[in-house]
Amino acid sequence: SAVISQKPSRDICQRGTSLTIQCQVDSQVTMMFWYRQQPGQSLTLIATANQGSEATYESGFVIDKFPISRPNLTFSTLTVSNMSPEDSSIYLCSVLEGDTQYFGPGTRLTVL
Amino acid sequence: KQEVTQIPAALSVPEGENLVLNCSFTDSAIYNLQWFRQDPGKGLTSLLLIQSSQREQTSGRLNASLDKSSGRSTLYIAASQPGDSATYLCAVRSEKLVFGKGTKLTVNP
Repeated sequence: SAVISQKPSRDICQRGTSLTIQCQVDSQVTMMFWYRQQPGQSLTLIATANQGSEATYESGFVIDKFPISRPNLTFSTLTVSNMSPEDSSIYLCSVLEGDTQYFGPGTRLTVL
Repeated sequence: KQEVTQIPAALSVPEGENLVLNCSFTDSAIYNLQWFRQDPGKGLTSLLLIQSSQREQTSGRLNASLDKSSGRSTLYIAASQPGDSATYLCAVRSEKLVFGKGTKLTVNP
């Protein structure tokens, strides 16, 4: 099974700033996914990132707010831009290996 | 639009009890269903994957069933232990993976 690491594991940020979250996978994967889990809620897909192409964003999420990079088959970054307290969530990186979806440990973001 | 519901939202049981967690989904046109475990403030751990053509899957003390036609899945945990305390999430894959809100399980020593 894929092993996924994320950095940072948690952060506390000021309103109006940006944070970049890194995701590293121990194997090459075609698609990487970024999810958000708001307090008390389930997971919501932000975007799908394929290497060498623009990320595909879900309804309600835009590239200016959540720019994503995918420079190679094992790495991706998600930036949360111009943060507000409503962005306080756990952000999770995920990959699909065969039919099974695997998740990283998550980044817990608190925006003050 | 696929919607996934998990009942109950929270469950507290004494150690050793067998228990069932429920998951229902509105659109039966799914590829597979996956059960996850999430510890507080952590990521998700995959527990079981059931393909749409399968009726059940087993891993250790866990058994997951799928009735696609009725839009239901159950996760059976045998002989529960305090270490099983976590939130259990059900997710169904149609065009994409759609999650329920989870069942928070507490197993009391």
